[in-house]
Amino acid sequence: GNSVTQMEGPVTLSEEAFLTINCTYTATGYPSLFWYVQYPGEGLQLLLKATKADDKGSNKGFEATYRKETTSFHLEKGSVQVSDSAVYFCALSGSGNTGKLIFGQGTTLQVKP
Amino acid sequence: EAQVTQNPRYLITVTGKKLTVTCSQNMNHEYMSWYRQDPGLGLRQIYYSMNVEVTDKGDVPEGYKVSRKEKRNFPLILESPSPNQTSLYFCASSTLSTGTGGRKTQYFGPGTRLLVL
Repeated sequence: GNSVTQMEGPVTLSEEAFLTINCTYTATGYPSLFWYVQYPGEGLQLLLKATKADDKGSNKGFEATYRKETTSFHLEKGSVQVSDSAVYFCALSGSGNTGKLIFGQGTTLQVKP
Repeated sequence: EAQVTQNPRYLITVTGKKLTVTCSQNMNHEYMSWYRQDPGLGLRQIYYSMNVEVTDKGDVPEGYKVSRKEKRNFPLILESPSPNQTSLYFCASSTLSTGTGGRKTQYFGPGTRLLVL
């Protein structure tokens, strides 16, 4: 079945460091891929998405490219800020009709000043 | 403001005492869903609904019920809560795209943290 695997956290970085959070997936068909962010005490917010191979999603300085050949959707940011500290979830949505999102386990990012 | 609201945000209860967590969206979305979030497991779908009076089980439906009598509301019912239902619950909604129901962005509520003693 469909699944998403994220790199284990927590990830601790200094401000202005480069961020990569790895995400790989297993899916049949052509899923859409998403990154959601959960700030402390809040719900999930969509950060970015890509709906087909080679698409690049971007938002707030974050980017991720849908790589079908490596079944990956790694999240990157060139220069993180303290305000980026949060839990990041990679997710996929299959071509079926249930609308279900399959989530990775989440990666906690802590950015220190 | 477009949003998904959940109530209550925090709830402590005891085993066996029936409870309902409400979810409401103001975006006229057809699709609504409930997830639970547990450490190391990410979010898992409990139930979903494609429209009024149309509901179906997700991956972890045991011990839960839902109803969809109105388009905007999708309450989650725990008839007899048990400690293993202690979790963080999220409601989500989206529009539906014909034939590719999973591709639309889902909007999440703020979460309900439940503790069952």
